[in-house]
Amino acid sequence: GDSVTQMEGPVTLSEEAFLTINCTYTATGYPSLFWYVQYPGEGLQLLLKATKADDKGSNKGFEATYRKETTSFHLEKGSVQVSDSAVYFCALPDSWGKFQFGAGTQVVVTP
Amino acid sequence: GAGVSQSPRYKVAKRGQDVALRCDPISGHVSLFWYQQALGQGPEFLTYFQNEAQLDKSGLPSDRFFAERPEGSVSTLKIQRTQQEDSAVYLCASSLGAQETQYFGPGTRLLVL
Repeated sequence: GDSVTQMEGPVTLSEEAFLTINCTYTATGYPSLFWYVQYPGEGLQLLLKATKADDKGSNKGFEATYRKETTSFHLEKGSVQVSDSAVYFCALPDSWGKFQFGAGTQVVVTP
Repeated sequence: GAGVSQSPRYKVAKRGQDVALRCDPISGHVSLFWYQQALGQGPEFLTYFQNEAQLDKSGLPSDRFFAERPEGSVSTLKIQRTQQEDSAVYLCASSLGAQETQYFGPGTRLLVL
């Protein structure tokens, strides 16, 4: 069945460092791909999405490119801030829209 | 506009007690999903509605879990005879349709003692 694998955390970075969170997927067909972010004590918020191969989603300085060849959707940000400290989830929907989430990657950014 | 809302935000229940969790989706959203999120884990699918029809309930852990959406808007997740393993955050999400962005509520944190 469909599945998502993302790198384990926590990832600890200094402010202004480069962030990469790896996400790979297994799916039948070509679903949309999503990154959600969960700040402490809050619900999940959409960070970005891509709907087809080679699409690049971007938001708040974060980017991810839908790579069909490598079945990947890695999340990147060139210069992180303390406010980016959160848990990040990669997700893909099945044909009904039911999301399969990765286990989440906690990111801690220190001043 | 208003997002997805859930109530209560926190619920403490004694083992064996019945609980009801409410979700108010974004107006006009056809699809509604319930997920269960254990501590330190990603959300796990419980059930899915398209309007008032429950199309998939394969993720409900046992027959103690029941969900409904009688008028195609507000949904209630009911857990009967709660057990300690039911302790988790229950998330509701709504979307315009399959494959569309899901918008999540803040969740209900359930603690069963």
